[in-house]
Amino acid sequence: DAGVTQSPTHLIKTRGQQVTLRCSPISGHKSVSWYQQVLGQGPQFIFQYYEKEERGRGNFPDRFSARQFPNYSSELNVNALLLGDSALYLCASSLRGLSGRGETQYFGPGTRLLVL
Amino acid sequence: AQSVAQPEDQVNVAEGNPLTVKCTYSVSGNPYLFWYVQYPNRGLQFLLKYITGDNLVKGSYGFEAEFNKSQTSFHLKKPSALVSDSALYFCAVRRSGSNTPLVFGKGTRLSVIA
Repeated sequence: DAGVTQSPTHLIKTRGQQVTLRCSPISGHKSVSWYQQVLGQGPQFIFQYYEKEERGRGNFPDRFSARQFPNYSSELNVNALLLGDSALYLCASSLRGLSGRGETQYFGPGTRLLVL
Repeated sequence: AQSVAQPEDQVNVAEGNPLTVKCTYSVSGNPYLFWYVQYPNRGLQFLLKYITGDNLVKGSYGFEAEFNKSQTSFHLKKPSALVSDSALYFCAVRRSGSNTPLVFGKGTRLSVIA
């Protein structure tokens, strides 16, 4: 079975631009979460979606938004890019929402975003 | 609030020797604890998790971790290190029974020397 897939793998943008990152979860998984990993740090939670509804939001500005589609794939949008948005953006999928008992999240390879 | 501390930025170990990567956590209530590994230019790979029950958890690639409630620790161990184990290791915690996301530590870079 295919794991979590993300596109694109790399992206270069300039300040002020907008970017859309895409994620396809493992087949049968209904929950998708997004994390930002800055160099030298652990991943930080941005959003969680389950059954196409937002179920959690981390401490990120409103420039960050996301959605989940009927096929459970997801997009993360970031507007008005700042230099500090340069990071590896990770998508993780799980079978159920995070209120499930010890639900394991499986991560994709990430999209590396560089903002110049 | 939940938090994870990985006190060592770097751990060096000789191939064939046992390895330990340390993790301590803070969470209100009972924890769900996870270990992930990240290879260069790759996402995170799940190694193992503790939910409840036996304090010694066995995972992928010969790794295991021991949950110690009194010391709020969840150290990752392997009896005999391989050069291919060299990677970045992350410990993460969630509060049980809640819809909260994973909170990760800063990571520990493991270097296994031949």
